[in-house]
Amino acid sequence: DAGVTQSPTHLIKTRGQQVTLRCSPISGHKSVSWYQQVLGQGPQFIFQYYEKEERGRGNFPDRFSARQFPNYSSELNVNALLLGDSALYLCASSLDLMGNTGELFFGEGSRLTVL
Amino acid sequence: GEDVEQSLFLSVREGDSSVINCTYTDSSSTYLYWYKQEPGAGLQLLTYIFSNMDMKQDQRLTVLLNKKDKHLSLRIADTQTGDSAIYFCAERYLRTGANNLFFGTGTRLTVIP
Repeated sequence: DAGVTQSPTHLIKTRGQQVTLRCSPISGHKSVSWYQQVLGQGPQFIFQYYEKEERGRGNFPDRFSARQFPNYSSELNVNALLLGDSALYLCASSLDLMGNTGELFFGEGSRLTVL
Repeated sequence: GEDVEQSLFLSVREGDSSVINCTYTDSSSTYLYWYKQEPGAGLQLLTYIFSNMDMKQDQRLTVLLNKKDKHLSLRIADTQTGDSAIYFCAERYLRTGANNLFFGTGTRLTVIP
């Protein structure tokens, strides 16, 4: 079975532009979470989606938004990009909202560089 | 209480055991995780432990949890050069949502041949 897949793997944008990142969870998983990992730091929680609804949001500005589709895939959108948005964006997949098995699997990430 | 702390660096010789330590702050944590990240890659789930457990062993990996001291450790037996990576400790607790993990800054493990 395929793991969590993310696209694109790398992209370069300029300040003020908008970006859309995509994630497909593991087959059968209904919850998707997004994390931002700035170089040299641990990942920080941005959003969690379950059954197409936002179920959690981290401390990020409104420039960050996301959605989940009926097939459980998800998109993360970032508007008005700033240099500080340069990071590895990680998508995580779990079976359900409560994650009762404890397992949370990450994709390889989308590396965004803002110039 | 969302602070997860780890030491930044650890060097060991190939064949020795590695012990990576982590402290967390929230006593209501439900699950505690260890992830491995190799250069340029995503996070690989190594193991996790439920907060009502003291120890979990999985092949070369042993996780110890001391809830009183809020201390988590990961022991890697017979460390190999392929174990060189950054290791992240993470905690999850229910009040912030099911899959909201708080990560430490990571420990860079270097295995010397």
